[in-house]
Amino acid sequence: AQSVAQPEDQVNVAEGNPLTVKCTYSVSGNPYLFWYVQYPNRGLQFLLKYITGDNLVKGSYGFEAEFNKSQTSFHLKKPSALVSDSALYFCAVRGMNSGGYQKVTFGTGTKLQVIP
Amino acid sequence: DTAVSQTPKYLVTQMGNDKSIKCEQNLGHDTMYWYKQDSKKFLKIMFSYNNKELIINETVPNRFSPKSPDKAHLNLHINSLELGDSAVYFCASSQGTGGSGANVLTFGAGSRLTVL
Repeated sequence: AQSVAQPEDQVNVAEGNPLTVKCTYSVSGNPYLFWYVQYPNRGLQFLLKYITGDNLVKGSYGFEAEFNKSQTSFHLKKPSALVSDSALYFCAVRGMNSGGYQKVTFGTGTKLQVIP
Repeated sequence: DTAVSQTPKYLVTQMGNDKSIKCEQNLGHDTMYWYKQDSKKFLKIMFSYNNKELIINETVPNRFSPKSPDKAHLNLHINSLELGDSAVYFCASSQGTGGSGANVLTFGAGSRLTVL
C-alpha cells in the first residue's frame, strides 16, 4: 500500500527567505507525486506534479519540488516566501487499488506560516 | 463558473438524523471522489466513481451511501449520523482513473458537517 509522510506539522519562515516543506513517500512501481495547497475554508488546489523526467518540477505561484528517488523524497521549495503563501500544504502519491484504478493518498499536511 | 460545487456548505444536525451532500462538476471529468477531512486535517478517500460505476470503496461504515446519477454528479447520503461523522467532506473530480497518466484532482470547497 502507498503512503506519504510529512514529518513537520508546521514550518515557520520569514518573508523573503527560502522555504522547504518535506515529504517522503512509499509506493510500488513508478511514483506519481503531487503537491496541493489548502487555504482556510477552501478546498485543495493543485500546485505541481512529478510523473517522469526532470527531477526538479516547477509549479504554480513560484513553487517547485525536487524528486529524489534514492531518498524517496519530494520536497516542496520556494526561493523567496511571501506572507500570502501561508497555508496548509499536502503531499500526495498516486498508487493503484486492487481493481487497477488510481488511488491518491495524501500526507497529513504541513502548515506553512510566513512571518512578515 | 465553479468547477466542482458542493451543497450545502454547512450542515448542522442531530445524532441519528439522515442527511445528504450533493456534488456537481462542470469540467467534463469522468471520475469523482468523496474525501473526508477530520479535525486534525487528515484527508482520507472514501469513495470514487468512474462513469457512474463505483471503483473505490474504502473501509467506510455502510451508513454512508454514495450515488452517482450521471458522471457529472456524485451525492453522499449518510444515515443515522454519529458524533464521529463530524468533519469536512470534500468532493473532487479528475479525468481518467489509471494508466500511465497522473490525473490531477480538482476539489470542491467542502461541506462542513457538524453532528450534535
